[in-house]
Amino acid sequence: DGGITQSPKYLFRKEGQNVTLSCEQNLNHDAMYWYRQDPGQGLRLIYYSQIVNDFQKGDIAEGYSVSREKKESFPLTVTSAQKNPTAFYLCASSPPGTGGNEQFFGPGTRLTVL
Amino acid sequence: AQSVTQLDSQVPVFEEAPVELRCNYSSSVSVYLFWYVQYPNQGLQLLLKYLSGSTLVKSINGFEAEFNKSQTSFHLRKPSVHISDTAEYFCAVTPRQGGSEKLVFGKGTKLTVNP
Repeated sequence: DGGITQSPKYLFRKEGQNVTLSCEQNLNHDAMYWYRQDPGQGLRLIYYSQIVNDFQKGDIAEGYSVSREKKESFPLTVTSAQKNPTAFYLCASSPPGTGGNEQFFGPGTRLTVL
Repeated sequence: AQSVTQLDSQVPVFEEAPVELRCNYSSSVSVYLFWYVQYPNQGLQLLLKYLSGSTLVKSINGFEAEFNKSQTSFHLRKPSVHISDTAEYFCAVTPRQGGSEKLVFGKGTKLTVNP
């Protein structure tokens, strides 16, 4: 079964701690994305990667970091510099092309800062 | 840069009634247009998309959307909704040029279908 997996489903963090959210895909997609979803705000792009060992900042990258060492994996680290990290985080991937391709989404990770 | 406006944050309707979810966009370049659906506590799924050709596009579960270039709109419609259509719907665009698949999303419309 091809798809995108995110883990954990729920994550609790104390203030001042870094946490890493996992995203894995077996769709052989080149591009991967991280979005943050807040109620009533839609989805906002944090980081994206179009190829292994390369990634670009999205609209709200401050306080986050990523790596793309393997095609299948695109982990997101929420650092202590992120002032308001409580949110629903969604990972997505898309096949290569010239635009207009569907993005496939994982089931999400809900992060709560205690 | 692109922006997407979904005019209604919440739309309550009764089962079997028609519904329209409105989406307008702003862009200095041509765009591709998408509607995604999100069921509670899940990721997003593509509902339908407009790339080129006929301006009316349809999904397999009865939704349709019409691209109107002059009004920069891509409204989503269904003639008769079911309880199972209760979800949040997101309109999104991506520029045709540039080769990037980055999506710009609207803030979403929560559709609640009541019995």
